[in-house]
This record gives sequence, structure tokens and C-alpha cells, in this order.
Amino acid sequence: DQQVKQNSPSLSVQEGRISILNCDYTNSMFDYFLWYKKYPAEGPTFLISISSIKDKNEDGRFTVFLNKSAKHLSLHIVPSQPGDSAVYFCAASAFGNQFYFGTGTSLTVIP
Amino acid sequence: DSGVTQTPKHLITATGQRVTLRCSPRSGDLSVYWYQQSLDQGLQFLIQYYNGEERAKGNILERFSAQQFPDLHSELNLSSLELGDSALYFCASSPGTGERETQYFGPGTRLLVL
Repeated sequence: DQQVKQNSPSLSVQEGRISILNCDYTNSMFDYFLWYKKYPAEGPTFLISISSIKDKNEDGRFTVFLNKSAKHLSLHIVPSQPGDSAVYFCAASAFGNQFYFGTGTSLTVIP
Repeated sequence: DSGVTQTPKHLITATGQRVTLRCSPRSGDLSVYWYQQSLDQGLQFLIQYYNGEERAKGNILERFSAQQFPDLHSELNLSSLELGDSALYFCASSPGTGERETQYFGPGTRLLVL
């Protein structure tokens, strides 16, 4: 049973515009959320995280929003750049370092 | 480069066989994690080791086993392989000193079972 879901397998965005990647989760015990980025032939790399005590966390062009009541988080990338083209995974944790990952969204930023 | 190395990069084998995947964590990291990514699936957590001992277990099949050695490298053993075991297997590491640590992933081993 997939506890973390990314319902959009792919997304295309024009360079300079906003990219919004979405993620839903089912386990109300999750209290820590992360986004990882993955380029082809490489392992995932950590991008940004958020604790459930916050509803927003920003790091440069990347902002993660958390809506606990809707069990939904999103990653905003503004402005999008061609180098952002990658697969983005969201992940969640209820305790310790055991993370549950979504299936990923492939982002293509068109120059 | 995350500092985590995995060998081999690719592995092709037949059903019923046994393979061993190897992972060397980042220098200084005590925790090692194994994940499986099948087609159209997210990364499924398999197992975590901390300083040689099993720390957490996820959706790991009984045909699979892992261990972490005194030099902190880890091996994932897959036996009685089935077609459905074809997947990308990732290893990750973290310092192991706290909770909610960033995990640093290796490039993965792509396993194809024919």
C-alpha cells in the first residue's frame, strides 16, 4: 500500500515559470517530509525538508508547502531552469530515519 | 558525487540465482540503508543497519538479507531470484547520530533477472 503518492508522473514547464509538484500522503503519523531530486544514472539527492510544525519552508528558488489537514505537500520551483529537469521524489517519515517515498514526478523545463 | 559507492552498476542474471550487491557509505557515516525501486514504484525501504547492527526493517523479502561489516560497508544478498526482483537497488548512508538525518544515496545497482 503506497502511503505517499505522487499522482502526476510528469510535468512540463517553460523556463522562467513556476513548477509545482504535488504529493499526497495517507498516514497521519507522518511528521517530517522531504523532497529529493534525481538525475538519470545518479542516486537521489536531498533538496529540501519540512517538519509538521511548519507549513512552509524556503530555500532559494525552492519552497515546500505542507497542508496537514489535507495531507498534502507541494514543491514550488521559481523560476524554473533547464537544469531543474529531473525526477522529483517526495518522502515522509513518522519516526527515526525510515522514509516512505512516492513514485516520482519527472519535471521537464523547456528552454 | 554523494560519496556513497555501489558495485556493480549493472547485473544480469537468471531466475533462481543468487547475487550480492555491495555498498560503501560516505566516510564517517555509520548508518546504511537499502532501497528497491521497481518499475513505476517509488523507492521501497528494505532495511537499515547502524554500526554493524540491524536498526530497522521495511518491506524486505525473506529471500533477501543484508549485513554491515566492521569497516561499515554493507552487502545486500538476493537469493532464489525471480523476474519481479528486477529493479534498481539503492544504498544510502547517514551519520547515524540523530533522527531525521539526510540520507546520501549511491548511484544504484540495476539488476535484471531473465
